Amino acid sequence: DVKVTQSSRYLVKRTGEKVFLECVQDMDHENMFWYRQDPGLGLRLIYFSYDVKMKEKGDIPEGYSVSREKKERFSLILESASTNQTSMYLCASSLHRGPIDYEQYFGPGTRLTVT
Amino acid sequence: AQTVTQSQPEMSVQEAETVTLSCTYDTSESDYYLFWYKQPPSRQMILVIRQEAYKQQNATENRFSVNFQKAAKSFSLKISDSQLGDAAMYFCAYRIIQGAQKLVFGQGTRLTINP
Repeated sequence: DVKVTQSSRYLVKRTGEKVFLECVQDMDHENMFWYRQDPGLGLRLIYFSYDVKMKEKGDIPEGYSVSREKKERFSLILESASTNQTSMYLCASSLHRGPIDYEQYFGPGTRLTVT
Repeated sequence: AQTVTQSQPEMSVQEAETVTLSCTYDTSESDYYLFWYKQPPSRQMILVIRQEAYKQQNATENRFSVNFQKAAKSFSLKISDSQLGDAAMYFCAYRIIQGAQKLVFGQGTRLTINP
């Protein structure tokens, strides 16, 4: 079974702190994604990566950065956390083989509260 | 830009009955994928069903089926013989075939099953 794990289920941080959210997948997937989930807005893509050290902005990258130093690990970084970044963060991964669709597998999510 | 709209924030159905969740989308592409994802309470998001736009036949997975109307840009999910375990948030999603596997999600519909 594909497994996508996230470092924390719940996280509370203060405004201005630097926050790291970690995601690890164990199926040698090339693609990894970070989404943000908010009520009434669904999931919105923050960043994604299709290879080690490669990254592309999604729809809402402002205030976030990412790091992918190893194939299995994709980190989301909030350089200076703000209250409007309080949200559920979901990581996902998938195979990449050209145009063929491969299912995205999701992690359990990290509920981040910034106070 | 592609958008996905789920106009029903909440739905409820009696156990063993049938329920239909609505989804519309906007795109200028002719080839794409459509998906329904399920997010049970406090559990990971999983793929329920997918549809390739070039296929005229509606996808079916056991009790789950879709009504794909390409001209109308409509993609509804029908759940037959509803079970208590079907209670979840359901998200409709879209992605183009070529290029990065970015998913665009709708706002979600919370489905409640009444015993």
